[in-house]
Amino acid sequence: DIQMTQSPSSLSASVGDRVTITCRASQGIRNDLGWYQQKPGKAPKRLIYAASSLKSGVPSRFSGSGSGTEFTLTISSLQPEDFATYYCLQHNSYPWTFGQGTKVEIK
Amino acid sequence: EVQLVQSGAEVKKPGESLKISCKGSGYSFTSYWIGWVRQMPGKGLEWMGIIYPGDSDTRYSPSFQGQVTISADKSISTAYLQWSSLKASDIAMYYCVQGVGGYWGQGTLVTVSS
Repeated sequence: DIQMTQSPSSLSASVGDRVTITCRASQGIRNDLGWYQQKPGKAPKRLIYAASSLKSGVPSRFSGSGSGTEFTLTISSLQPEDFATYYCLQHNSYPWTFGQGTKVEIK
Repeated sequence: EVQLVQSGAEVKKPGESLKISCKGSGYSFTSYWIGWVRQMPGKGLEWMGIIYPGDSDTRYSPSFQGQVTISADKSISTAYLQWSSLKASDIAMYYCVQGVGGYWGQGTLVTVSS
């Protein structure tokens, strides 16, 4: 199985901060990775697909990069509605696997 | 508009069987994989498995193989997740998801309690 190591597990940041979350795959997955945002009590929503493509309707402050084994999700200027938990998901090979999640909290 | 609508919350006793559903609409149900994701209370997302309704090709995570059964009825555009004998450790929210997660169901909360 491909392991996805996501870091950090949590972070505290202020509105306006730049935030970076990383996922590292245990083996190469090309760009077969998505990023998801989950707010308490809600289903996750996809933000990024194919590692760096922004889903329609998602604010442009979100961006993704990487290929192979190293991937990042960046929020260029954190907004109040961005406080949530973020997950990566690799879909290169079965079983698909999620990262452990990063909880973004208000400083 | 693509929608995945899941069946309602369930409260079951240990040892009971259960089948929850996910009905797709607004797209060609037989052309997209449907997966299931578990989220235990206060925990992260776990990918359980996936089915291609067009031919019922199914893949499971080893962690869930033999513990659950994923199926689909393409005639009614519905995917299923079922247990033959529930355990307390099955308490979780279960989400269905289209393909690689472009669309998610609202979740079904499964509670197991004696």
